[in-house]
Amino acid sequence: AQTVTQSQPEMSVQEAETVTLSCTYDTSESDYYLFWYKQPPSRQMILVIRQEAYKQQNATENRFSVNFQKAAKSFSLKISDSQLGDAAMYFCASSGTYKYIFGTGTRLKVLA
Amino acid sequence: SQTIHQWPATLVQPVGSPLSLECTVEGTSNPNLYWYRQAAGRGLQLLFYSVGIGQISSEVPQNLSASRPQDRQFILSSKKLLLSDSGFYLCAWSPGTSGGADEQFFGPGTRLTVL
Repeated sequence: AQTVTQSQPEMSVQEAETVTLSCTYDTSESDYYLFWYKQPPSRQMILVIRQEAYKQQNATENRFSVNFQKAAKSFSLKISDSQLGDAAMYFCASSGTYKYIFGTGTRLKVLA
Repeated sequence: SQTIHQWPATLVQPVGSPLSLECTVEGTSNPNLYWYRQAAGRGLQLLFYSVGIGQISSEVPQNLSASRPQDRQFILSSKKLLLSDSGFYLCAWSPGTSGGADEQFFGPGTRLTVL
């Protein structure tokens, strides 16, 4: 069975500062993928970043990067130079064969 | 380009009434299709997914059902709604050839309130 755990219901960060959102997962799949999605107040889900579990190199997308620790089953998201537009719910997800399992989300507040 | 539509956007229904939510995808063929529910303060709960016409996998046994009558159409139904069915329902698709490797693309969602 797949599970995804986000232990931080809410986080705050000062504008221009860096914040890290935590995620742990468990899966019986040998080949899987990990994702971070953003859900702004509009509630439209948007992909932030994707990591292939077979790749050791951490994925990066502009100000967003991950710290993927496969042995620890940890997949955290780092947001650098936080902007007001980063305020949203962030969901961590893992996928195996067709199934995508999401965590409960972390609400990120960005303080001006 | 691909687009995903969901309707209605908002729905208020009495307990015990039937439900039908529709999702359609344009611009792609043989997508994998998904229904999620997002309850207040909770994450996205996978309800159903489909990898082809007539193929439905159920993740949560309850009074909801799903059907895929056409390649790019996914319908979520209930014969009798419960109060606990209230929530935000999201439809999503991913490329059919990818298994779980590709990102999912989400629709705008339906807010369902059961009174």
